[in-house]
Amino acid sequence: DTEVTQTPKHLVMGMTNKKSLKCEQHMGHRAMYWYKQKAKKPPELMFVYSYEKLSINESVPSRFSPECPNSSLLNLHLHALQPEDSALYLCASSPPRGGFGYTFGSGTRLTVV
Amino acid sequence: AQKVTQAQTEISVVEKEDVTLDCVYETRDTTYYLFWYKQPPSGELVFLIRRNSFDEQNEISGRYSWNFQKSTSSFNFTITASQVVDSAVYFCALSEQIDTGRRALTFGSGTRLQVQP
Repeated sequence: DTEVTQTPKHLVMGMTNKKSLKCEQHMGHRAMYWYKQKAKKPPELMFVYSYEKLSINESVPSRFSPECPNSSLLNLHLHALQPEDSALYLCASSPPRGGFGYTFGSGTRLTVV
Repeated sequence: AQKVTQAQTEISVVEKEDVTLDCVYETRDTTYYLFWYKQPPSGELVFLIRRNSFDEQNEISGRYSWNFQKSTSSFNFTITASQVVDSAVYFCALSEQIDTGRRALTFGSGTRLQVQP
């Protein structure tokens, strides 16, 4: 079983909907990440949280809003998405400085209609 | 500039053949980490190996082996006696510093391996 749990596994939403993706880890990691992966492309970094503070935002549109309520949880709030935002969204966690291992969740496959 | 290059987009082999997946990286860091991940059709990223920049010792794990050469900035992955279950997309990734005390993974474009029975 993966140690990073993402819910839901699949999500279909309309362009006017508001939804949230959730990620949870219990490995004591203090860095958490959101990646976006389009079909037949590699994962691309969206956000990095370190010690529950947003440290990296890779110029992601404001319709994606991350939140880290505590050291174990990471949310991605979605609002007014476009069909081109359809992708696999992957959450990962690591020790604070990274490099020593990144554990990925199984992802949420998002379809925007 | 692309930091991790996987020049092979797709490779098709017949079961029991050996196959090598190439990875070339670029970084200015003196301390960095290289990874290989496997992504089956189900989508999850499965960790295979991590290597730090100070350890050039090659590694073998069962049918898998890795060849790290700093002189050529390469970190190649070989599967010996391939099996149908090895069919997946394989990503090489580089962990480098993006901010003071913080790192993140940058992925290569991936190599799709198809092993035919």
